[in-house]
Amino acid sequence: EVQLVESGGGLVQPGGSLRLSCAASGFTFSDYWMTWVRQAPGKGLEWVANVRQDGREKRYMASAKGRFTISRDNTKNSLYLQMNSLRAEDTAVYHCARVDWIDEGINYWGQGTLVSVSS
Amino acid sequence: QSVLTQSPSVSAAPGQKVTISCSGTSFNIGSNYVSWYQQLPGTVPKLLIHDNNERPSGIPDRFSGSKSGTSATLGITGLQTGDEADYYCGTWDSSLNAGVFGTGTKVTVL
Repeated sequence: EVQLVESGGGLVQPGGSLRLSCAASGFTFSDYWMTWVRQAPGKGLEWVANVRQDGREKRYMASAKGRFTISRDNTKNSLYLQMNSLRAEDTAVYHCARVDWIDEGINYWGQGTLVSVSS
Repeated sequence: QSVLTQSPSVSAAPGQKVTISCSGTSFNIGSNYVSWYQQLPGTVPKLLIHDNNERPSGIPDRFSGSKSGTSATLGITGLQTGDEADYYCGTWDSSLNAGVFGTGTKVTVL
């Protein structure tokens, strides 16, 4: 059974940093593109970043460039999102997800971890 | 701000059909495959359609997808109370070099 379990969320002040982790199991992690998607409370889905199977290619949403870094460790079956210079508008549940289909068709989602940015 | 535009809501009686549209540009829907997701209240999104019109295993054929030009459509036939949810389209944007989702459509079963 495919499982994606996020951790690392919490309350942080504006300008602060957090590192999210996603532990993957039930599949060959190194075979898939992985992505982060967030959802602010009561709002829609927002794509954040993705990373290729080997970790060498990474893409980001415009507002994340220069602040967020996506990475993966295939030896640990883990996905990460380092978030710096956090803003109030980054407040959301962050989901780790597995890309199964072309053009970001996501078949598996983690339950998410809540990031709250507030003073 | 979502790149893909969906109507905010649609409603119909049980057993009826609804269609949900997703409007984009030549850089996203016009040149890439579209996926559709269902998000029931309090749950994570569930993939309904990938590659414009393909259903993953286990998704009933009441759900269908199509694409024409820079727009995509999700159809739901034989509407059930359990279909009340938010529905999102998604694809890749070749100009932004990023994934994009629609604004979401709330389906209400009357």
